[in-house]
Amino acid sequence: GQQLNQSPQSMFIQEGEDVSMNCTSSSIFNTWLWYKQDPGEGPVLLIALYKAGELTSNGRLTAQFGITRKDSFLNISASIPSDVGIYFCAGRHTGNQFYFGTGTSLTVIP
Amino acid sequence: DTAVSQTPKYLVTQMGNDKSIKCEQNLGHDTMYWYKQDSKKFLKIMFSYNNKELIINETVPNRFSPKSPDKAHLNLHINSLELGDSAVYFCASSHRTSGSLETQYFGPGTRLLVL
Repeated sequence: GQQLNQSPQSMFIQEGEDVSMNCTSSSIFNTWLWYKQDPGEGPVLLIALYKAGELTSNGRLTAQFGITRKDSFLNISASIPSDVGIYFCAGRHTGNQFYFGTGTSLTVIP
Repeated sequence: DTAVSQTPKYLVTQMGNDKSIKCEQNLGHDTMYWYKQDSKKFLKIMFSYNNKELIINETVPNRFSPKSPDKAHLNLHINSLELGDSAVYFCASSHRTSGSLETQYFGPGTRLLVL
């Protein structure tokens, strides 16, 4: 199955810094989702995007649906220690199948 | 008020055994999924059911057999377990609202270790 490319693969940042990560696909998607996975837990949905160019925020998190429909971006402002985890993007063409990114592991140093 | 629940959370078993993992969602969703997450954290779709009908069946050994008794449940039965089956298995569900808006929610995972 298709796997989306996420970058960076891992990040180590100081508390208070802003974070940016992205996800790219070789094909066009109609939906982009961003998830966070804490150790020992399942992925938790953070933000859903449904329209090219759409910019959506959830607290300190902001995600964008790229205008080419082949990419998406997630920004976290003023990071805090509980932001630690693995962030996954997921995209859907039509139908029910979601394709997942390779994940970005975030470490926040207090 | 758990949205997507899975049992058991941990499963340790011997090679060659048969085991089942259960999943239930109380979100009223019409589609359910099984994913496998390997040690590198890659999430791979295994199966998807929509209204109890199998719609996605990725290249998965036929030792894995999903069963959906109703829209709220999707169980996964694994025969003749192998060492390589050790992974975390996630159940998920989704529902397409009007205008094709769809989100997907995950269960807490079942950690399977085959010895």
